[in-house]
Amino acid sequence: EAGVTQFPSHSVIEKGQTVTLRCDPISGHDNLYWYRRVMGKEIKFLLHFVKESKQDESGMPNNRFLAERTGGTYSTLKVQPAELEDSGVYFCASSQVGTGGEKLFFGSGTQLSVL
Amino acid sequence: DAKTTQPNSMESNEEEPVHLPCNHSTISGTDYIHWYRQLPSQGPEYVIHGLTSNVNNRMASLAIAEDRKSSTLILHRATLRDAAVYYCILRPFVSLQGAQKLVFGQGTRLTINP
Repeated sequence: EAGVTQFPSHSVIEKGQTVTLRCDPISGHDNLYWYRRVMGKEIKFLLHFVKESKQDESGMPNNRFLAERTGGTYSTLKVQPAELEDSGVYFCASSQVGTGGEKLFFGSGTQLSVL
Repeated sequence: DAKTTQPNSMESNEEEPVHLPCNHSTISGTDYIHWYRQLPSQGPEYVIHGLTSNVNNRMASLAIAEDRKSSTLILHRATLRDAAVYYCILRPFVSLQGAQKLVFGQGTRLTINP
């Protein structure tokens, strides 16, 4: 069974540019989560999709971040325009629908560096 | 979100058991106790979870105190590959299928000596 796949694994961009991160969840997983780790800080929740709907986007830092999950399959996270403080590792996770006891499967992350 | 408290770091030797503690004194009766770990340069990885009873799987054991205000993750025989940051996370049970996010804290950085 394929795991959660994230693309690209690394991205280096200049301040002001746009970057789009992609996440392919495990097939059949309706829940999809985005997380971010900024260097030296804790892993922080960004948002949660259930199928194509945003269940919780309370962790999105500002309106420069846009997440989509068209058709309830893969998801994209766009940062436009990117700022220096957006640098970090962005993780995607997916899980089956459940009541809190199900496990989350994480991808290896996208390392974003904004110069 | 109910909070957990873990030691910042722990150290152990290879092939010895490791007991990673977690305090969660404000746990509610319907909170699951989840453990995840993050190996270097990888995403977090599920380890184990439980509600009230102790749990065992191929990776580890989870011992839950009778009052549920603390738990211990047990690695029975640590290997170098177990060196990681271990996170103890409370996750509420929801009656409808709308499970909530995991909230990560600082975790415990486990070092394994050869």
